[in-house]
Amino acid sequence: DTGVSQDPRHKITKRGQNVTFRCDPISEHNRLYWYRQTLGQGPEFLTYFQNEAQLEKSRLLSDRFSAERPKGSFSTLEIQRTEQGDSAMYLCASSLGDAPSYAYGYTFGSGTRLTVV
Amino acid sequence: AQSVTQPDIHITVSEGASLELRCNYSYGATPYLFWYVQSPGQGLQLLLKYFSGDTLVQGIKGFEAEFKRSQSSFNLRKPSVHWSDAAEYFCAVGEPMRGSQGNLIFGKGTKLSVKP
Repeated sequence: DTGVSQDPRHKITKRGQNVTFRCDPISEHNRLYWYRQTLGQGPEFLTYFQNEAQLEKSRLLSDRFSAERPKGSFSTLEIQRTEQGDSAMYLCASSLGDAPSYAYGYTFGSGTRLTVV
Repeated sequence: AQSVTQPDIHITVSEGASLELRCNYSYGATPYLFWYVQSPGQGLQLLLKYFSGDTLVQGIKGFEAEFKRSQSSFNLRKPSVHWSDAAEYFCAVGEPMRGSQGNLIFGKGTKLSVKP
């Protein structure tokens, strides 16, 4: 297994367009997280899946954002009607299990850098 | 609300010198504590973590961190810095509660530069 993969690595889009990012977690990991990292800040939690169920969403995840994890495998994060404030690095992470030592055993992907012009 | 403070935005040290990066947290109990490193354009790599027990934890790449409950701190140290350590370092906390979804709260990071 090569770790957590994110695609694309970079995306430049015009304001108002829709964009979709993909994350492929480590295959046996049942937990999947999306974080957003803006310039000069640490990552901020967006949402979390356990298998295919989306169990938590941050208030940062406005109604323009939607995430899915069909069949509990890969996940997609879609942003509709992008705004300049959406420009950020979007990070995906996965982990295995429910016990804290496993749940917090994140493996991060390299991220998708979104630039909205 | 939980929060993590990394007071130093940018630190420059000479290669071979010792390093200490500061982290303070605000939480009602003792959270789980983490240090991550991020190279430019890359994701985050876990350096070390503290859940309980010995308050001095060893991590990868020669890093260690000490949990001090009385100071609500979890400072990262390295006795001798290498040029390859130049990166951004993030402290993070997680809730130690059963059933927690496992999301982390990160500090704003400290950028480390290494002088030759």
